[in-house]
Amino acid sequence: QKEVEQNSGPLSVPEGAIASLNCTYSDRGSQSFFWYRQYSGKSPELIMFIYSNGDKEDGRFTAQLNKASQYVSLLIRDSQPSDSATYLCAGTHGNNRLAFGKGNQVVVIP
Amino acid sequence: GAGVSQTPSNKVTEKGKYVELRCDPISGHTALYWYRQSLGQGPEFLIYFQGTGAADDSGLPNDRFFAVRPEGSVSTLKIQRTERGDSAVYLCASSLTTGGWDEQFFGPGTRLTVL
Repeated sequence: QKEVEQNSGPLSVPEGAIASLNCTYSDRGSQSFFWYRQYSGKSPELIMFIYSNGDKEDGRFTAQLNKASQYVSLLIRDSQPSDSATYLCAGTHGNNRLAFGKGNQVVVIP
Repeated sequence: GAGVSQTPSNKVTEKGKYVELRCDPISGHTALYWYRQSLGQGPEFLIYFQGTGAADDSGLPNDRFFAVRPEGSVSTLKIQRTERGDSAVYLCASSLTTGGWDEQFFGPGTRLTVL
């Protein structure tokens, strides 16, 4: 079992809609969770991090963490074509090394 | 300011050859990480340095892989006797410290192709 799982296939959303992404993690010792955005052929860039149970909002992005269910999610409100990318969920394990899921591709349709 | 830089951006080599990949972290960042990303997958941890020492090399797949950071800044990932399965994008990241909340900034990666 991978430490971080992202099992959803590509997500297509109309422009202006909400995109919802989920991941689960297996290590209850994981402390912090990160959402990275990766454009095709580019390196990952951090868009959100969360370490407390509940919601964290930053602009159009909201991250949610539920430690009891070992579940992390990302909501993108008012989706824009520029949001089309792969979104990577990652958790830290001990020394801050990141364990990544395989990513979810998001396509925003104008 | 300058971000993380990696050279070369692309490397094509033949099976069995030796390669070196270089990472230049953000100035002042004490922590440096190497990851490997295969097509359609998320980055996979290889090794991380705190200063000059390798604090965790548990992600190195086998003894053909080795990394150094002799002066606590630039790091080199070395791969001996390359195999076709080593083909991937090798990403380097750096962070100010190794605190669990510290953002890791990624370089552009080196795309390694082993023929």
